[in-house]
Amino acid sequence: GEDVEQSLFLSVREGDSSVINCTYTDSSSTYLYWYKQEPGAGLQLLTYIFSNMDMKQDQRLTVLLNKKDKHLSLRIADTQTGDSAIYFCAERNSGYSTLTFGKGTMLLVSP
Amino acid sequence: EAGVAQSPRYKIIEKRQSVAFWCNPISGHATLYWYQQILGQGPKLLIQFQNNGVVDDSQLPKDRFSAERLKGVDSTLKIQPAKLEDSAVYLCASKENQGAVGNTIYFGEGSWLTVV
Repeated sequence: GEDVEQSLFLSVREGDSSVINCTYTDSSSTYLYWYKQEPGAGLQLLTYIFSNMDMKQDQRLTVLLNKKDKHLSLRIADTQTGDSAIYFCAERNSGYSTLTFGKGTMLLVSP
Repeated sequence: EAGVAQSPRYKIIEKRQSVAFWCNPISGHATLYWYQQILGQGPKLLIQFQNNGVVDDSQLPKDRFSAERLKGVDSTLKIQPAKLEDSAVYLCASKENQGAVGNTIYFGEGSWLTVV
């Protein structure tokens, strides 16, 4: 079955880089996603990576994928207080194209 | 472009009562999902529709939950009777299925349910 694991909490100072890690189990995953959830809000898609890629960069965000180890990371450069939120890693199942989410990593950015 | 719309945003009901949530996906999106997010956890899929047909409802507690998407656009999710453990955010999401952006699943802001 599918399972997605994330560390629960990360605290950084404003201006530092943040790295949020995720591991998944479904080797047939086609896409892997990062979503951001602010308090009281829905899920905002940040970025996604196709499984045949190993890196994707989008402004301050860098996604690294190690398919052999089934490890995904999200790096946020120059982290701002507005980046404080819960970040969810999700894998897209190859069959029905549904998403399996991790429990989320709470990122706290202090001034 | 309008996003995924959900209502009501917040609902408080007593256990054993019923509740219904409504979702309007992004225009033209053929695939619609309902997810349940319990506090402190990631969202879990309840049901997936492709147009007006059910693709996957294996995680839907069918003794109390039901969902429909009769005309292949809007969808409703109903809980009857509600239990305390149904307290959660119910997220609706949709996907286009066409082209490169068809792989992106967009979420609404959720309907927050508290069962007391």
